[in-house]
Amino acid sequence: AQSVTQLDSHVSVSEGTPVLLRCNYSSSYSPSLFWYVQHPNKGLQLLLKYTSAATLVKGINGFEAEFKKSETSFHLTKPSAHMSDAAEYFCVVSDQAETSYDKVIFGPGTSLSVIP
Amino acid sequence: DAGVIQSPRHEVTEMGQEVTLRCKPISGHDYLFWYRQTMMRGLELLIYFNNNVPIDDSGMPEDRFSAKMPNASFSTLKIQPSEPRDSAVYFCASSFWETDKTGNTIYFGEGSWLTVV
Repeated sequence: AQSVTQLDSHVSVSEGTPVLLRCNYSSSYSPSLFWYVQHPNKGLQLLLKYTSAATLVKGINGFEAEFKKSETSFHLTKPSAHMSDAAEYFCVVSDQAETSYDKVIFGPGTSLSVIP
Repeated sequence: DAGVIQSPRHEVTEMGQEVTLRCKPISGHDYLFWYRQTMMRGLELLIYFNNNVPIDDSGMPEDRFSAKMPNASFSTLKIQPSEPRDSAVYFCASSFWETDKTGNTIYFGEGSWLTVV
Protein backbone atom coordinates (compact mmCIF):
# COMPACT_ATOMS: atom_id res chain seq x y z
CA ALA A 1 0.00 0.00 0.00
CA GLN A 2 1.13 3.51 -0.71
CA SER A 3 1.66 6.18 1.88
CA VAL A 4 3.37 9.52 2.20
CA THR A 5 4.86 11.07 5.31
CA GLN A 6 5.90 14.69 5.49
CA LEU A 7 8.06 14.80 8.54
CA ASP A 8 7.49 18.45 9.42
CA SER A 9 4.13 20.13 9.52
CA HIS A 10 5.80 23.52 9.66
CA VAL A 11 9.26 24.78 8.67
CA SER A 12 10.57 28.28 9.26
CA VAL A 13 13.70 29.64 7.58
CA SER A 14 15.34 33.01 7.17
CA GLU A 15 15.41 34.64 3.77
CA GLY A 16 18.57 33.63 1.89
CA THR A 17 19.10 30.41 3.85
CA PRO A 18 18.60 26.87 2.52
CA VAL A 19 15.25 25.14 2.52
CA LEU A 20 14.75 21.45 3.29
CA LEU A 21 11.29 19.90 3.27
CA ARG A 22 11.29 16.21 4.06
CA CYS A 23 9.16 13.50 2.49
CA ASN A 24 9.21 9.73 2.94
CA TYR A 25 7.03 7.35 1.02
CA SER A 26 6.09 3.73 0.73
CA SER A 27 5.07 2.14 -2.54
CA SER A 28 4.50 -1.36 -3.83
CA TYR A 29 5.67 -0.59 -7.32
CA SER A 30 7.90 1.90 -9.07
CA PRO A 31 6.64 5.19 -7.76
CA SER A 32 6.13 8.49 -9.45
CA LEU A 33 6.77 11.28 -6.95
CA PHE A 34 5.71 14.87 -7.08
CA TRP A 35 5.99 18.07 -5.12
CA TYR A 36 3.20 20.61 -5.35
CA VAL A 37 3.10 24.11 -3.90
CA GLN A 38 0.01 25.96 -2.75
CA HIS A 39 0.22 29.68 -2.13
CA PRO A 40 -2.45 31.30 0.03
CA ASN A 41 -5.87 31.28 -1.60
CA LYS A 42 -4.51 29.52 -4.68
CA GLY A 43 -4.69 26.08 -6.23
CA LEU A 44 -1.92 23.51 -6.18
CA GLN A 45 0.88 24.01 -8.68
CA LEU A 46 3.37 21.36 -9.77
CA LEU A 47 6.92 22.12 -8.64
CA LEU A 48 8.61 19.00 -9.97
CA LYS A 49 8.15 15.28 -10.54
CA TYR A 50 10.25 12.13 -10.51
CA THR A 51 9.42 9.31 -12.92
CA SER A 52 12.39 6.91 -12.80
CA ALA A 53 14.68 8.92 -15.01
CA ALA A 54 17.36 11.00 -13.24
CA THR A 55 17.24 10.71 -9.48
CA LEU A 56 17.95 14.42 -9.02
CA VAL A 57 15.01 16.36 -10.33
CA LYS A 58 15.02 20.09 -10.95
CA GLY A 59 11.83 22.05 -10.74
CA ILE A 60 10.58 25.57 -11.01
CA ASN A 61 11.72 28.52 -8.90
CA GLY A 62 15.06 26.94 -8.03
CA PHE A 63 13.67 23.92 -6.21
CA GLU A 64 15.03 20.43 -6.63
CA ALA A 65 14.47 17.02 -5.10
CA GLU A 66 16.47 13.84 -4.93
CA PHE A 67 14.93 10.39 -5.13
CA LYS A 68 16.69 7.98 -2.76
CA LYS A 69 15.25 4.51 -3.08
CA SER A 70 17.31 3.05 -0.23
CA GLU A 71 15.93 5.67 2.12
CA THR A 72 12.47 5.84 0.48
CA SER A 73 12.82 9.59 0.54
CA PHE A 74 12.13 12.45 -1.82
CA HIS A 75 13.21 15.57 0.04
CA LEU A 76 12.69 19.01 -1.47
CA THR A 77 15.50 21.55 -1.30
CA LYS A 78 16.34 25.06 -2.38
CA PRO A 79 19.71 26.73 -1.80
CA SER A 80 18.37 30.14 -0.86
CA ALA A 81 14.88 30.92 0.36
CA HIS A 82 12.93 33.85 -0.98
CA MET A 83 9.99 35.55 0.65
CA SER A 84 7.77 34.39 -2.20
CA ASP A 85 8.49 30.74 -1.25
CA ALA A 86 6.24 31.02 1.79
CA ALA A 87 3.48 28.52 1.04
CA GLU A 88 2.17 25.02 1.71
CA TYR A 89 4.08 22.18 0.07
CA PHE A 90 2.65 18.75 -0.68
CA CYS A 91 4.55 15.57 -1.43
CA VAL A 92 2.59 13.16 -3.64
CA VAL A 93 3.15 9.53 -4.62
CA SER A 94 1.53 7.42 -7.30
CA ASP A 95 2.35 3.92 -8.43
CA GLN A 96 3.43 3.68 -12.04
CA ALA A 97 2.10 0.14 -12.35
CA GLU A 98 -1.39 1.29 -11.47
CA THR A 99 -3.90 2.77 -13.84
CA SER A 100 -6.26 4.06 -11.22
CA TYR A 101 -5.99 7.59 -9.98
CA ASP A 102 -7.30 6.68 -6.57
CA LYS A 103 -3.75 5.41 -6.03
CA VAL A 104 -2.44 8.98 -6.02
CA ILE A 105 -1.71 9.84 -2.41
CA PHE A 106 -1.17 13.38 -1.15
CA GLY A 107 0.89 14.03 1.95
CA PRO A 108 -0.54 16.22 4.73
CA GLY A 109 1.53 19.21 3.69
CA THR A 110 4.37 21.27 5.14
CA SER A 111 3.86 24.95 5.76
CA LEU A 112 6.97 26.97 4.93
CA SER A 113 7.48 30.36 6.53
CA VAL A 114 10.27 32.68 5.37
CA ILE A 115 11.50 35.26 7.86
CA PRO A 116 12.88 38.52 6.45
CA ASP B 1 -3.31 27.20 -22.07
CA ALA B 2 -6.04 28.60 -19.83
CA GLY B 3 -5.66 25.91 -17.20
CA VAL B 4 -8.51 24.40 -15.21
CA ILE B 5 -11.24 26.96 -14.76
CA GLN B 6 -13.57 26.90 -11.77
CA SER B 7 -16.56 29.00 -10.83
CA PRO B 8 -17.60 30.55 -8.60
CA ARG B 9 -14.36 31.40 -6.82
CA HIS B 10 -16.20 32.29 -3.65
CA GLU B 11 -19.68 31.43 -2.49
CA VAL B 12 -21.48 32.13 0.74
CA THR B 13 -24.82 30.42 1.13
CA GLU B 14 -27.33 29.61 3.80
CA MET B 15 -27.77 26.17 5.22
CA GLY B 16 -30.27 24.16 3.22
CA GLN B 17 -29.61 25.91 -0.05
CA GLU B 18 -28.40 24.15 -3.17
CA VAL B 19 -24.82 24.85 -4.25
CA THR B 20 -23.46 24.15 -7.73
CA LEU B 21 -19.75 24.36 -8.45
CA ARG B 22 -18.55 24.34 -12.03
CA CYS B 23 -15.38 23.24 -13.74
CA LYS B 24 -13.85 23.39 -17.19
CA PRO B 25 -10.87 21.02 -17.50
CA ILE B 26 -7.85 21.56 -19.68
CA SER B 27 -8.65 20.73 -23.28
CA GLY B 28 -7.48 17.23 -24.22
CA HIS B 29 -7.38 15.91 -20.69
CA ASP B 30 -9.36 12.72 -20.19
CA TYR B 31 -9.42 12.64 -16.40
CA LEU B 32 -11.28 15.05 -14.16
CA PHE B 33 -11.16 15.13 -10.38
CA TRP B 34 -13.05 16.85 -7.61
CA TYR B 35 -11.14 17.38 -4.36
CA ARG B 36 -12.14 18.98 -1.09
CA GLN B 37 -9.64 20.69 1.20
CA THR B 38 -10.21 21.49 4.87
CA MET B 39 -7.90 22.19 7.76
CA MET B 40 -9.08 19.11 9.60
CA ARG B 41 -8.96 16.55 6.79
CA GLY B 42 -6.49 18.04 4.34
CA LEU B 43 -7.01 17.23 0.68
CA GLU B 44 -9.62 14.56 -0.04
CA LEU B 45 -10.52 13.04 -3.41
CA LEU B 46 -14.29 13.11 -3.78
CA ILE B 47 -14.80 11.65 -7.24
CA TYR B 48 -13.04 11.29 -10.54
CA PHE B 49 -14.12 10.80 -14.13
CA ASN B 50 -12.41 9.21 -17.09
CA ASN B 51 -13.73 10.16 -20.51
CA ASN B 52 -16.78 11.72 -18.85
CA VAL B 53 -17.65 8.51 -16.97
CA PRO B 54 -17.53 8.47 -13.16
CA ILE B 55 -14.96 5.92 -12.12
CA ASP B 56 -14.85 6.19 -8.35
CA ASP B 57 -17.18 8.21 -6.16
CA SER B 58 -16.30 6.51 -2.90
CA GLY B 59 -14.98 9.77 -1.54
CA MET B 60 -18.30 11.56 -1.88
CA PRO B 61 -19.38 12.23 1.69
CA GLU B 62 -23.04 11.41 1.38
CA ASP B 63 -26.06 11.51 -0.88
CA ARG B 64 -26.26 15.27 -0.61
CA PHE B 65 -23.28 15.43 -2.95
CA SER B 66 -23.52 14.66 -6.64
CA ALA B 67 -21.25 15.23 -9.61
CA LYS B 68 -21.83 15.15 -13.33
CA MET B 69 -19.74 15.46 -16.43
CA PRO B 70 -22.07 15.87 -19.42
CA ASN B 71 -19.22 16.44 -21.86
CA ALA B 72 -15.44 16.59 -22.03
CA SER B 73 -15.28 20.28 -21.26
CA PHE B 74 -17.64 20.69 -18.32
CA SER B 75 -18.37 19.21 -14.92
CA THR B 76 -20.47 20.18 -11.93
CA LEU B 77 -20.39 19.32 -8.25
CA LYS B 78 -23.70 19.86 -6.52
CA ILE B 79 -24.53 19.93 -2.83
CA GLN B 80 -28.20 19.77 -1.92
CA PRO B 81 -29.05 20.63 0.78
CA SER B 82 -25.89 22.33 1.97
CA GLU B 83 -24.77 22.22 5.62
CA PRO B 84 -22.21 24.28 7.55
CA ARG B 85 -19.84 21.30 7.69
CA ASP B 86 -19.60 21.45 3.90
CA SER B 87 -17.64 24.69 4.20
CA ALA B 88 -14.33 24.03 2.48
CA VAL B 89 -12.31 24.72 -0.62
CA TYR B 90 -13.36 22.55 -3.53
CA PHE B 91 -10.78 21.96 -6.22
CA CYS B 92 -11.34 20.66 -9.68
CA ALA B 93 -8.34 19.12 -11.41
CA SER B 94 -7.63 17.40 -14.69
CA SER B 95 -5.01 15.11 -16.16
CA PHE B 96 -4.30 12.82 -19.06
CA TRP B 97 -3.01 9.30 -18.91
CA GLU B 98 0.56 9.07 -20.17
CA THR B 99 0.84 5.57 -21.57
CA ASP B 100 4.60 5.51 -21.16
CA LYS B 101 4.02 5.82 -17.42
CA THR B 102 6.10 8.95 -17.07
CA GLY B 103 4.01 10.18 -14.22
CA ASN B 104 0.59 11.69 -14.67
CA THR B 105 0.60 15.27 -13.55
CA ILE B 106 -2.63 16.52 -12.06
CA TYR B 107 -3.41 20.14 -12.87
CA PHE B 108 -5.49 22.02 -10.34
CA GLY B 109 -7.88 24.89 -10.68
CA GLU B 110 -7.81 27.85 -8.33
CA GLY B 111 -10.58 26.40 -6.19
CA SER B 112 -14.06 27.37 -5.10
CA TRP B 113 -14.22 28.73 -1.54
CA LEU B 114 -17.55 27.65 -0.08
CA THR B 115 -18.95 28.97 3.17
CA VAL B 116 -22.28 27.65 4.43
CA VAL B 117 -23.80 29.70 7.23
